Amino acid sequence: TQLLEQSPQFLSIQEGENLTVYCNSSSVFSSLQWYRQEPGEGPVLLVTVVTGGEVKKLKRLTFQFGDARKDSSLHITAAQPGDTGLYLCAGEYNFNKFYFGSGTKLNVKP
Amino acid sequence: EAGVVQSPRYKIIEKKQPVAFWCNPISGHNTLYWYLQNLGQGPELLIRYENEEAVDDSQLPKDRFSAERLKGVDSTLKIQPAELGDSAVYLCASSLAGTNTGELFFGEGSRLTVL
Repeated sequence: TQLLEQSPQFLSIQEGENLTVYCNSSSVFSSLQWYRQEPGEGPVLLVTVVTGGEVKKLKRLTFQFGDARKDSSLHITAAQPGDTGLYLCAGEYNFNKFYFGSGTKLNVKP
Repeated sequence: EAGVVQSPRYKIIEKKQPVAFWCNPISGHNTLYWYLQNLGQGPELLIRYENEEAVDDSQLPKDRFSAERLKGVDSTLKIQPAELGDSAVYLCASSLAGTNTGELFFGEGSRLTVL
């Protein structure tokens, strides 16, 4: 059972384009994390958001936590081929219990 | 500092055979997770340990899966007997408990193929 639904499931864009990935749930999370995973490796943390409405920026990536702490978005500006990978959101449901979303596979073509 | 170490990286077995995966977490991390990940999908939690105690194993198929973390450090995950549907990547992660926004550090995973 996926508590977190991500959309879109797949995204193939040209270098330089912008994109947004969404992570939605009917549950409230105490925190939400975004990870990026490359083939053959484990996911690596990009950011953690804790407060409803919080916005964090990491270079060309902008993360937002919904006001009700049930949803989040990841926006990438001017995507580059190095951004290619599987993007995963993970909600913390109870202390230290993390549920992952279904994933968004991003391919950025040069 | 060494990261989370998992072995083996790859395992191919016939159905009904047993298989075991090993994980050594980051030193000092008392929380350890085992996740199952199917291709292109998000990881699904199997079991979570706080030190040597399994605090959440509600999603572990206990008829064929077992796990242990005897000394609260490294852990093993066993499947016996394996079924075709068990083919997946088994990820181990660790984190430092005591913070409510703990980062999960993952190993590279053990890819299981059941023939």
